[in-house]
Order: sequence, then structure tokens, then C-alpha cells
Amino acid sequence: GAVVSQHPSRVICKSGTSVKIECRSLDFQATTMFWYRQFPKQSLMLMATSNEGSKATYEQGVEKDKFLINHASLTLSTLTVTSAHPEDSSFYICSAGTGSNQPQHFGDGTRLSIL
Amino acid sequence: SQQGEEDPQALSIQEGENATMNCSYKTSINNLQWYRQNSGRGLVHLILIRSNEREKHSGRLRVTLDTSKKSSSLLITASRAADTASYFCAPPYSGAGSYQLTFGKGTKLSVIP
Repeated sequence: GAVVSQHPSRVICKSGTSVKIECRSLDFQATTMFWYRQFPKQSLMLMATSNEGSKATYEQGVEKDKFLINHASLTLSTLTVTSAHPEDSSFYICSAGTGSNQPQHFGDGTRLSIL
Repeated sequence: SQQGEEDPQALSIQEGENATMNCSYKTSINNLQWYRQNSGRGLVHLILIRSNEREKHSGRLRVTLDTSKKSSSLLITASRAADTASYFCAPPYSGAGSYQLTFGKGTKLSVIP
């Protein structure tokens, strides 16, 4: 089956640090990748949609300068949380899709803790 | 955008019993997808049912879809402790040049051994 690899699985760092999270589709080419954030006991919130070779589309309320997304190839998208602060601490999950009538395949998530 | 709304929000059953979760949505769809999330993990795709299908099976899972009522149900038969997880339905919608998924609060299923 389709596998999405997300790294790192856990990050603990100091306030002000920038953190990069990678999302790779291992055995398929993803036309679109998605980034979600999930707070404890909450549902997933879509942050942005990323198509290969084009700028990401951010959901309302998500700061594009804060959450930089790069989708350089059909198998790799990265999310960089710039100058992270404690309120950015959350569980970040990526997914990859291949079309409207196909499921999305999710990574295992990255737990980000900013001290 | 639209999201599925799952009901109940929490469900606790004994191992071996069946679990039924319901989903409602608001606008027309091409398909509806069900996902499972174990605590602290990403989501796992369970079943995709297309708008022209009424029922679909996968192992112990059975999904129904009633487009006239804009509702779907997920039945897990002979539940196991390993089925303990949160379950989400997701009707894709068109946005940002692709089809996006928006998730509701899900149904948190606890299967007691």
C-alpha cells in the first residue's frame, strides 16, 4: 500500500528555533500534499494544501510566513515552523493525495514541543 | 468547505460486540472516506465509498451511504481491543485546486477486553 513517511516524529526545542518537518511519499507520486495540525483531544485542522511546483494555499488564519511550505517534488513536501514559540506546540500531520476519488495517505505525525 | 459530523462522540463496548458510528454531511459528494486514528498517530484510511454505492465491505468493516439523507454509517463487527481508536468520516470537497478533507471531532471508540 501507499506509504507516507514523516520525520522527525518528535521535536523538542527552545523558543525562537525554526523547525523543519519532512513528508515523503515512498512508493507513489503525490499530486497534492496536505498539512494538518492537531491540538490535544481536538480534531485535525487543515493548515495548507501544497501542489508540486506551486505555492501552497493556506487556510484562513494560518500565517504563511510562520509556516513555510515547500513542495519541490512529487514525493517530498516540507513544513518549516519559523521562530517557533510555545503556542506552536502541537501535533503536525501530513498527508498525500493522488486525486479526488482516491484516499489520502497520512504520515505518522510530528509532535512538536517548544520550551 | 464541509466536514463530516460523527455521532456518537464517544462509544464504549465490550470486546466481541459490534460498534456502529454515524456520519452526516451537508453538500453533495463524489465519495465519502472513513479513517481511523490511534492515539498519537496519523490517520489510516479504512474505506472509500463512492456516491453511486450504497454499501461496501472490508473485512470486519461495513460502510453504508445514503446520499438522499446525506449520511453514512460505519459498522465494526466482532470488535477487538485493537479497534480502540478515533474514527472520522471525511467527505472530500473541492478547494485550492484539489480535493481537500476536513475532519470533524470523530467518534472515540473504546473496546473493553
